[in-house]
Amino acid sequence: ETGVTQTPRHLVMGMTNKKSLKCEQHLGHNAMYWYKQSAKKPLELMFVYNFKEQTENNSVPSRFSPECPNSSHLFLHLHTLQPEDSALYLCASSHPVGGYGRNTEAFFGQGTRLTVV
Amino acid sequence: AQSVTQLDSQVPVFEEAPVELRCNYSSSVSVYLFWYVQYPNQGLQLLLKYLSGSTLVESINGFEAEFNKSQTSFHLRKPSVHISDTAEYFCAVTGGNDYKLSFGAGTTVTVRA
Repeated sequence: ETGVTQTPRHLVMGMTNKKSLKCEQHLGHNAMYWYKQSAKKPLELMFVYNFKEQTENNSVPSRFSPECPNSSHLFLHLHTLQPEDSALYLCASSHPVGGYGRNTEAFFGQGTRLTVV
Repeated sequence: AQSVTQLDSQVPVFEEAPVELRCNYSSSVSVYLFWYVQYPNQGLQLLLKYLSGSTLVESINGFEAEFNKSQTSFHLRKPSVHISDTAEYFCAVTGGNDYKLSFGAGTTVTVRA
């Protein structure tokens, strides 16, 4: 148990559905991340939030919409996805920038296995 | 910006044999280096880290890694692997004021009896 909890663990959705992934951490971290992990591909950083502000969006399609209401919670809203969006979506958290890299190890959730049909 | 290259995508190894996973990084600032492990259908777990001090760091389950600044490397080693070490291993780097981790592509270790 890493202290980062993701729900649901598994999700099957149709291309016309709307669903949300949830991530929660109570580690006192202020930076939170969404990563996409597809088979045979490197980890892709999707979004970064630092103190609830989005600081990075790595050219992610608009059918993925992140939300960070507070430093402990992060959501990924999904709509009109494509089959190629099927992947493991990982949430992570860490201490924020400014610590000269100290304590910047990221803690990961177990991931949500998403299948788009 | 920092980047990481993991030189081996797949490493098959027999049980009780040693294993080495290679990781090289590039950075223009001082770096902090990490190895993560991912077991099947799980998230990533921190295995060990180098922040400062001794260049040789160890994990609780027998892995060790050595930070080599001149060779810009952070190779991971274990003298005797178990079946349970079968997993994917990721090297990661951050540095300066950049708090985001940059990950390598991963190395899949398969331990056979």
